[in-house]
Amino acid sequence: AQSVTQLGSHVSVSEGALVLLRCNYSSSVPPYLFWYVQYPNQGLQLLLKYTSAATLVKGINGFEAEFKKSETSFHLTKPSAHMSDAAEYFCALGTASKLTFGTGTRLQVTL
Amino acid sequence: EAGVAQSPRYKIIEKRQSVAFWCNPISGHATLYWYQQILGQGPKLLIQFQNNGVVDDSQLPKDRFSAERLKGVDSTLKIQPAKLEDSAVYLCASSHGQVNTEAFFGQGTRLTVV
Repeated sequence: AQSVTQLGSHVSVSEGALVLLRCNYSSSVPPYLFWYVQYPNQGLQLLLKYTSAATLVKGINGFEAEFKKSETSFHLTKPSAHMSDAAEYFCALGTASKLTFGTGTRLQVTL
Repeated sequence: EAGVAQSPRYKIIEKRQSVAFWCNPISGHATLYWYQQILGQGPKLLIQFQNNGVVDDSQLPKDRFSAERLKGVDSTLKIQPAKLEDSAVYLCASSHGQVNTEAFFGQGTRLTVV
């Protein structure tokens, strides 16, 4: 069975600090992995995606994620948090055109 | 290109009433998804269409939920009768259909059942 686990339902960082949101997956086939962001009362917007071309993936708004097969992880990072990064972040696993989401991590950015 | 359109944005109904949501995917997208997102949780797939055929409806509560995608374009999701636990945001998404392509989401319909 395919599944996604996001560690930490809430993460709080100071503005300018490193952002690290964790995602682990389980898949019996080579996975495609995505990070989506959701702002209040909005739909989900794609931040970045891993499709086996490169293990380090760069996305929008300064975010990046590294695919580590040995750790079955796809953690999302950003070197310096900005107030506008406050949102809900979802990791998703794509297999056979089916998209399975994690439970989400709410990022809070404080001054 | 135009995004995924959903209507209505908000809906409040009493339990046991019926409700319908509409979705217009991005032009040319073969795959259409309906997700249910309960407050504080990740989106849960209710049903997935490939063109006008159902690919996966294993998590759709078929005793009260139904969905159709006529002519492989627009889709409607219906709940009849609604229960309190159906209060959630219903998200529609579409994609080209290949596993490595992203899904584009609409803004969702927030349903409150009272």
